[in-house]
Parts: sequence; structure tokens; C-alpha cells
Amino acid sequence: GIQVEQSPPDLILQEGANSTLRCNFSDSVNNLQWFHQNPWGQLINLFYIPSGTKQNGRLSATTVATERYSLLYISSSQTTDSGVYFCAVRAGGTSYGKLTFGQGTILTVHP
Amino acid sequence: GAGVSQSPRYKVAKRGQDVALRCDPISGHVSLFWYQQALGQGPEFLTYFQNEAQLDKSGLPSDRFFAERPEGSVSTLKIQRTQQEDSAVYLCASSRTDNQPQHFGDGTRLSIL
Repeated sequence: GIQVEQSPPDLILQEGANSTLRCNFSDSVNNLQWFHQNPWGQLINLFYIPSGTKQNGRLSATTVATERYSLLYISSSQTTDSGVYFCAVRAGGTSYGKLTFGQGTILTVHP
Repeated sequence: GAGVSQSPRYKVAKRGQDVALRCDPISGHVSLFWYQQALGQGPEFLTYFQNEAQLDKSGLPSDRFFAERPEGSVSTLKIQRTQQEDSAVYLCASSRTDNQPQHFGDGTRLSIL
């Protein structure tokens, strides 16, 4: 099946810093989502971005499907950004919409 | 409702007991998914429903796991004869159609003693 690798596995920032999280996938995809799992375990939708670039406030994402990667940018980080960031993909050619998740990037933002 | 609702939020059971976990998807969402998340890992797919039809159950780890969605809305994941390795967070997600963004509930944290 499709492989999803996220980097870095851990990231520690001071409040106000910028960061880039990466997601590589091993095969073509027709769906890609970024999620933030907060310390209470809730999975929050950030982006639905099978291709192209989107922005939402301090967050933006870019997916280059032909090169099999996606990037999540966090600018001016805040302590509330702490948590685990997951990339999840639906493999191209998959009959149904099940998502395959990466292992996540654990982000800690210190005040 | 406004979001995906799961209950109970926490469940503690003794090894060997049966448990039932409930998912109430976003109204009108055709597709419903169950995932299992072990500690420190990303969620893993269990099963998929399109309306009341279970079209993919390839992720169910054993025949002790059973899911249903009889009227195409609320779904129940049942685990029979629970074992310690079943301890995990069980997440439900729904989407408007098969290839639309999935929206997740808060999950049920299951602990088997």
C-alpha cells in the first residue's frame, strides 16, 4: 500500500517562529488532508489539498502531486499551535476514500 | 448536528467483555469511516460505509470486530471478547461523498483491563 512519511518527527519552537512540515508519499494520490491533533485528542481539519496552494490565516499548505509531497507552513507560531500534525492521503486508484496517515510531527511551541 | 458525535468518550472494560461504540455522523453525509489510533501512532483505517452498505472492511483486525450502519446514519462498532491489545482510541469520520474531506469525531478512548 501507499507509504506516507512526515518530517521532522519532532519540532520545538519559540513563540513567534515560523516552521515548515513536510509530507512525502510513495504513490499518486487523489486526496490529501492536513490535520492538527490537539492535546485533548481532537483531530482538526486544516486543509483539504490534493494539489495546489491554500492559505488560512497563519497557516498555508502546498501540494505538488507530480513530485509526491506536500508542505504545511506555520507562521508566527503560538502556544496553541502545539500538538501533533498529521498528513493523510487517499491513494489514487483506491476504490473508496480511506485515508492512510503518516506518523505525524509533534510540535511544541514555548512561550 | 454540527459535527461528528461519538459516545461514550471513555470506556473501560474487563478483558473478555463485549463493547459497543457509537458514531453519529454529520447530517447528510453519505460516507462513514472508522479508524483505530494506538498511542503515539497515526490513525489506521478499519472500515467504510456508503449509506448502509459496508463496502470495505479490510482494516478490521479480527472477526471479533463488527460494524454496522443499518439505516445509513448512526453507526456502531462492536468488539467482542475484548483483549488488551484492543486498547486504543477509536475515531469515526464522515464525508459528504466518497472523495470529499473527512471530518472526525472526538473519538472513544477504550481501555481494556
